[in-house]
Parts: sequence; structure tokens; C-alpha cells
Amino acid sequence: AQKITQTQPGMFVQEKEAVTLDCTYDTSDPSYGLFWYKQPSSGEMIFLIYQGSYDQQNATEGRYSLNFQKARKSANLVISASQLGDSAMYFCAMREGNAGGYQKVTFGTGTKLQVIP
Amino acid sequence: EPEVTQTPSHQVTQMGQEVILRCVPISNHLYFYWYRQILGQKVEFLVSFYNNEISEKSEIFDDQFSVERPDGSNFTLKIRSTKLEDSAMYFCASSTQGSAGELFFGEGSRLTVL
Repeated sequence: AQKITQTQPGMFVQEKEAVTLDCTYDTSDPSYGLFWYKQPSSGEMIFLIYQGSYDQQNATEGRYSLNFQKARKSANLVISASQLGDSAMYFCAMREGNAGGYQKVTFGTGTKLQVIP
Repeated sequence: EPEVTQTPSHQVTQMGQEVILRCVPISNHLYFYWYRQILGQKVEFLVSFYNNEISEKSEIFDDQFSVERPDGSNFTLKIRSTKLEDSAMYFCASSTQGSAGELFFGEGSRLTVL
């Protein structure tokens, strides 16, 4: 079974609108972390936001927020007020295991977001 | 702001040649990783390294691959005899123990095997 599932290979959004990128995960580990990374066409991986499995509140970082629904095992990324520079590939990822140990991170297949002027 | 640096940014090599990709992790980080991304595909875990030894490796990380931390700052990935299918972007990453969980990635080294 896939550990991280991103069901939207591509998404379009109008500039200044909000967009939600879906991510579901599968783990039996009670301690895990969820990440979103942005990969522009230049190729680098840019960290956006992190949610720990024990965090009570949804993570937010500027225009990015993570809609964490633990019972549904979903960790959707919400980008508010989309900008042209948000056009990129977005990867959801999960770290399993104790934060005191090594951190193997598993990535989803990504969602290509295109922001339309 | 501290960052993970990787060299070279792009390397072209002939099939069968040895390649060494270099990474300088963030100085106070303890855990080091290599990931790869074949063009257009997802990022795949290769290997994790802690306390001067491999802590986990994937099926991709076969005998042709090795990692080393030769001098306390560099973290290298060696591919002994490159194959066409090794062409990919290779990302180095590092993290701290007990951190909030962020994995800091380098900008990647693009390897092209001809």
C-alpha cells in the first residue's frame, strides 16, 4: 500500500484564489510527521510546512496552512491568495518513527500546480 | 541561514564510470540522507546515515552505491559503475535529532549518464 497518496497529478488555480492540494497517508506508527515541499522548475526542494502527529492545532506558515484530519489520515495543503510564483510541483511527505531516531521520509508522487493570471 | 550545499550541480558521465556526489550538511545536524528523483517522478529514499554508519537503505541502494563521511563535514555518495538508469537528480538532506521534523534539502546534483 502506498504510504503517501496524492490523487491530483495536476491542478489549476486563478491568481489570488485559494487552492487545496490533497494528501492522504497510511501509517500504524503513533508518532509521525507530515511535510509539504515545493519544487519549482529549477529543481530544488523547498520546505513549506510541517505537522506533527501529536500537534493539536493545524500548522500555518504565512499563506500556507495544513488541514490535518488525523482520523481520516489526511494532510491537505491550503495555499491562500495564490501567486504566479506558486506554480510548481508540490510534494506531500511523511516521517515515521521516534523523532529521536533517524528520519526516513517517504514522498508522494506530487501535484503540479499552475496558477493562471 | 544555514543550508545544505551540494556539488556538483550537474555532472555528465559515461556509462560504467564512477561518480562521487558531495554534500555539506548543516553543521550541527546529526542525520544525513540521500534521495533521488528520476525526471518527472517522485522523490525516492536511498539511504540514511547516523553516527558514522548506514541506519537504513532502500532496495535502490545496491552494491554499486556507497556513502561516506570522510572528514566530519562532507557527506558523499559514490556510484561505482554508473548505469543509464542512474540518471536522476540526487538530493542530500540533513536533520537534527529531536527537531520539529524538518528535513533540510540541498539544491540537488543532476547526474546524466550517457
